[in-house]
Amino acid sequence: ILNVEQSPQSLHVQEGDSTNFTCSFPSSNFYALHWYRWETAKSPEALFVMTLNGDEKKKGRISATLNTKEGYSYLYIKGSQPEDSATYLCASPQGTGNQFYFGTGTSLTVIP
Amino acid sequence: GAGVSQSPSNKVTEKGKDVELRCDPISGHTALYWYRQSLGQGLEFLIYFQGNSAPDKSGLPSDRFSAERTGGSVSTLTIQRTQQEDSAVYLCASSLVPVNVRKGVGELFFGEGSRLTVL
Repeated sequence: ILNVEQSPQSLHVQEGDSTNFTCSFPSSNFYALHWYRWETAKSPEALFVMTLNGDEKKKGRISATLNTKEGYSYLYIKGSQPEDSATYLCASPQGTGNQFYFGTGTSLTVIP
Repeated sequence: GAGVSQSPSNKVTEKGKDVELRCDPISGHTALYWYRQSLGQGLEFLIYFQGNSAPDKSGLPSDRFSAERTGGSVSTLTIQRTQQEDSAVYLCASSLVPVNVRKGVGELFFGEGSRLTVL
């Protein structure tokens, strides 16, 4: 199994701070890189699906970048709010592309 | 509703019993995935279905686990002779196109999960 890895494992920030997390993935035979947000007692929800090297996507205060040659993606949150508290997961298809592996996630807590 | 539906939401069973977990994906979604999250762990890939193709079972942890998808829609995950280490939240997700379609969106839509507790 080729691993999708995320760091840090957890993060506590003050309301208003900006923050970022890292996802690393195998760069060979790249298909796509997904970011999901998983709030407590809810289902994971897709934030971004990224397929092109150099891609940058934005949704409100959240943005993500992708480097497929070196196998990493960054997720940025600008001006964190308490409602941003969640676990942020990245995932990438592996092997034949059928096995869709998730990283262990970054747990973000925004302190009011 | 229009989302992915899973049942039961909670299941408590005794060690050694068989359990069935059901997933009803979004209509028209061809790809269906099962994952589980054990306490303190990340999402573990179990099995993948795509249309009428043979499923990718490479993530199933033992031969006590099996899954089927009838008519390309509803899927059932069966765990035989449950063990305490099977306790987890089992999540089902579907997508319109497979995630390995480079130009496709392929985002996963998740159900709310089935929490299995094996006593």
